[in-house]
Amino acid sequence: AQRVTQPEKLLSVFKGAPVELKCNYSYSGSPELFWYVQYSRQRLQLLLRHISRESIKGFTADLNKGETSFHLKKPFAQEEDSAMYYCALSSAGGTSYGKLTFGQGTILTVHP
Amino acid sequence: KAGVTQTPRYLIKTRGQQVTLSCSPISGHRSVSWYQQTPGQGLQFLFEYFSETQRNKGNFPGRFSGRQFSNSRSEMNVSTLELGDSALYLCASNRDGVDEKLFFGSGTQLSVL
Repeated sequence: AQRVTQPEKLLSVFKGAPVELKCNYSYSGSPELFWYVQYSRQRLQLLLRHISRESIKGFTADLNKGETSFHLKKPFAQEEDSAMYYCALSSAGGTSYGKLTFGQGTILTVHP
Repeated sequence: KAGVTQTPRYLIKTRGQQVTLSCSPISGHRSVSWYQQTPGQGLQFLFEYFSETQRNKGNFPGRFSGRQFSNSRSEMNVSTLELGDSALYLCASNRDGVDEKLFFGSGTQLSVL
């Protein structure tokens, strides 16, 4: 069975500081990892996916299969980054993406 | 393009009753998934439907069921409600086979008294 762990429930940083949200997973197959974000009073939305190797809103995440991690990083945090962040794993092997295993989420607060 | 629409937004039921929640996916999306969100358990996968067929199922009791119609709209039903069923139920849709991005609705907040 797959599992996603986000060890930090709360994370506080100051504006301009680097931020790293941790995500570890356990899965015996080849996983696909995602970061979803929920801003205040908005819907849960995709932030980025490891397959794309993209940078969205300054955030990047690298899949480290050796450490089974997919940490989310941003060099300079902004106040508008304050939100709930979820790490999620798909075990469908590319056949469907409706079934995701989510971590418990990390609330990021960026102080001015 | 309209987003994923869930109705109703709020529901209050009593133990033992049953409830039906509705989800209209984004036009053109054929895959619909349902999730339960609670403060203690977080987001948990319930089931996924594609072309009117259940494709994946999570670890929930048989009291939780769903279906999908030919227009891709989906409903989920919970029978014999228990206090622990109180949660935010989220629906998500995606284009399936084209994009792995899920689009979520605002959810239905169910309170069981």
